[in-house]
Amino acid sequence: DTAVSQTPKYLVTQMGNDKSIKCEQNLGHDTMYWYKQDSKKFLKIMFSYNNKELIINETVPNRFSPKSPDKAHLNLHINSLELGDSAVYFCASGAGQNYGYTFGSGTRLTVV
Amino acid sequence: GESVGLHLPTLSVQEGDNSIINCAYSNSASDYFIWYKQESGKGPQFIIDIRSNMDKRQGQRVTVLLNKTVKHLSLQIAATQPGDSAVYFCAENKGGGGSNYKLTFGKGTLLTVNP
Repeated sequence: DTAVSQTPKYLVTQMGNDKSIKCEQNLGHDTMYWYKQDSKKFLKIMFSYNNKELIINETVPNRFSPKSPDKAHLNLHINSLELGDSAVYFCASGAGQNYGYTFGSGTRLTVV
Repeated sequence: GESVGLHLPTLSVQEGDNSIINCAYSNSASDYFIWYKQESGKGPQFIIDIRSNMDKRQGQRVTVLLNKTVKHLSLQIAATQPGDSAVYFCAENKGGGGSNYKLTFGKGTLLTVNP
C-alpha cells in the first residue's frame, strides 16, 4: 500500500495545454507539499497545505493552482503550460515540525 | 574522498569503502536536518535525521555529523554497497514552526559505487 501516490507518473503535453497531477497520502498527515525538481536535481518547494488550507506559496506563477479537497489529497493544476514547466514534480506529506517528509515517486512533466 | 563544486557534486567510491558526503547549510537558526537518498526514477527517501541539540547520530551503516559552528552537515556511509548509488540531499528546517514548517534542500551529491 503506497504511502504517497501520485498520478500520472509521466505526462507529455504541448505548450498552452492545461494539465493536472493528483496526489494522495494514506499516512494521516495534516500537511502536504508540492516540490519541483529541475534538470540539475534541485528540489524547490512550491506549495504546502495544512488540513486543506494553503500555508506556503513560494512565488509560483498563478498558472499553478493547487487544490486540496481533504487533508489526504493535494492536486496540482497547471494552466497554459510553458516549456520551462518541464520538470519532475513531487508530492510529499509530513507529520509536522521536526519530522521528515514522505515523498511520492514523482510525475515527470515534459512540455513540447 | 570528499566532493565540492558548484554543480551537482559527484563522489565515486569502491565497493566496501566508506563514503563521506558533505553539506553546508545557510541558516544558523535551522534546528532540524535530514539526509535523503534519491535513486534514479524515484522520490527522495528519508535516511536519517538530526536535531540541532545533537552533534552526531548513528543509524544502520550511516552516521550524520552536525557542526553548528561552521554550519556543516555530513553523512558517512560505512562499507558502501552498489545499492547505495544515488543522489543524496541534505535538508534543513528554515521555515519556522507550526504549519509554516518546511524543508529546504541542498543541491545534492551523486554517489557512484564501483564494484
